[in-house]
Amino acid sequence: ETGVTQTPRHLVMGMTNKKSLKCEQHLGHNAMYWYKQSAKKPLELMFVYSLEERVENNSVPSRFSPECPNSSHLFLHLHTLQPEDSALYLCASSQTPRGSGLGSPLHFGNGTRLTVT
Amino acid sequence: GESVGLHLPTLSVQEGDNSIINCAYSNSASDYFIWYKQESGKGPQFIIDIRSNMDKRQGQRVTVLLNKTVKHLSLQIAATQPGDSAVYFCAENNRGSTLGRLYFGRGTQLTVWP
Repeated sequence: ETGVTQTPRHLVMGMTNKKSLKCEQHLGHNAMYWYKQSAKKPLELMFVYSLEERVENNSVPSRFSPECPNSSHLFLHLHTLQPEDSALYLCASSQTPRGSGLGSPLHFGNGTRLTVT
Repeated sequence: GESVGLHLPTLSVQEGDNSIINCAYSNSASDYFIWYKQESGKGPQFIIDIRSNMDKRQGQRVTVLLNKTVKHLSLQIAATQPGDSAVYFCAENNRGSTLGRLYFGRGTQLTVWP
């Protein structure tokens, strides 16, 4: 048990579908993240929610839409995805101090393996 | 942009031997470094971290060494076990990073032979 739970573990969707990935953290952290992990590439930060502020990676397409209703829950809404979006999507959380860099390591969930057909 | 890389993509060791996994970074402002282990089908798992005001930090069977002069980081695993087989990532952060962004290397696949 990692303290960060992601559902579903596996998802297959067509390019016209709409789906959502869910993440819940039980660690009392104040920041949550979405990362994308593709084969042979470094983990890529997609979105950060920290202290009620959202930060985006400007290279993330608009077909990915995050939602963070509170500090424990994070969603990634998906619509009209492309086959190249197939990857492992990882959620993470951390305790981040105000006004500085990372205060503690990120704790990751086990990811959602997404396949776009 | 940030650049965090690994010298070797794969490493094979005999059970019981010590393993050393290396990592290079390019940002001299990096001040916090983390090693992660990722097993098949799982997310990255925190192993050990080190801040730039330290050169060495030890955990259970693991030691991280930081050489800021040459911007090099290493993870040493003592008495490597089959359960240590996984992909190991180094990651770095600096105070100028937006909201605690971590930059990851591509990873080293460690295989431990019995």
